[in-house]
Amino acid sequence: GAVVSQHPSRVICKSGTSVKIECRSLDFQATTMFWYRQFPKQSLMLMATSNEGSKATYEQGVEKDKFLINHASLTLSTLTVTSAHPEDSSFYICSALIVAGTEAFFGQGTRLTVV
Amino acid sequence: TQLLEQSPQFLSIQEGENLTVYCNSSSVFSSLQWYRQEPGEGPVLLVTVVTGGEVKKLKRLTFQFGDARKDSSLHITAAQPGDTGLYLCAGPMDSNYQLIWGAGTKLIIKP
Repeated sequence: GAVVSQHPSRVICKSGTSVKIECRSLDFQATTMFWYRQFPKQSLMLMATSNEGSKATYEQGVEKDKFLINHASLTLSTLTVTSAHPEDSSFYICSALIVAGTEAFFGQGTRLTVV
Repeated sequence: TQLLEQSPQFLSIQEGENLTVYCNSSSVFSSLQWYRQEPGEGPVLLVTVVTGGEVKKLKRLTFQFGDARKDSSLHITAAQPGDTGLYLCAGPMDSNYQLIWGAGTKLIIKP
């Protein structure tokens, strides 16, 4: 199956700093990538839809200025958590949609801990 | 609004038992997908069902798509501890490629 690489897998940062998470589709092109947040023992919560070459579409309640998304190429999308706070600590997962497909493949996830 | 209701939310059974997880909706989906997620990792796609009434088998896992394409089930035969994980169903929204997610079923298989 298609491979999506997410980096880093774990990150610890101090309050007030920014953290960038990368999501790469390794063997396919993805015009659309999705960013999710997942709390313990819960399902995935969609944060935003990232389309290559255009602005991301954010879900209601997600601050676009806090969670900056860039999708500069067909194989890379980045999520930057700006001015991180402890409440931003969570598991962040990206997925990439194969061009003209309806199957999305997921990265390994990033465990963010803000101290 | 398209919703996916997944049940049960939690299931703990002994090794060797059979189980079924359900994913139901009042809406028609063009396809439904089943994922398995282990702690600290992203979901891994198990199967996509597309045709109403379709049955797909993956070793001891049997996936079925309802005739009306509104529901799906995952049946595990002779469950093993290695089947432990969070099982999620998901389906694409009508208007775009965003996925609607079930709440997940936390499955624990005890040796």
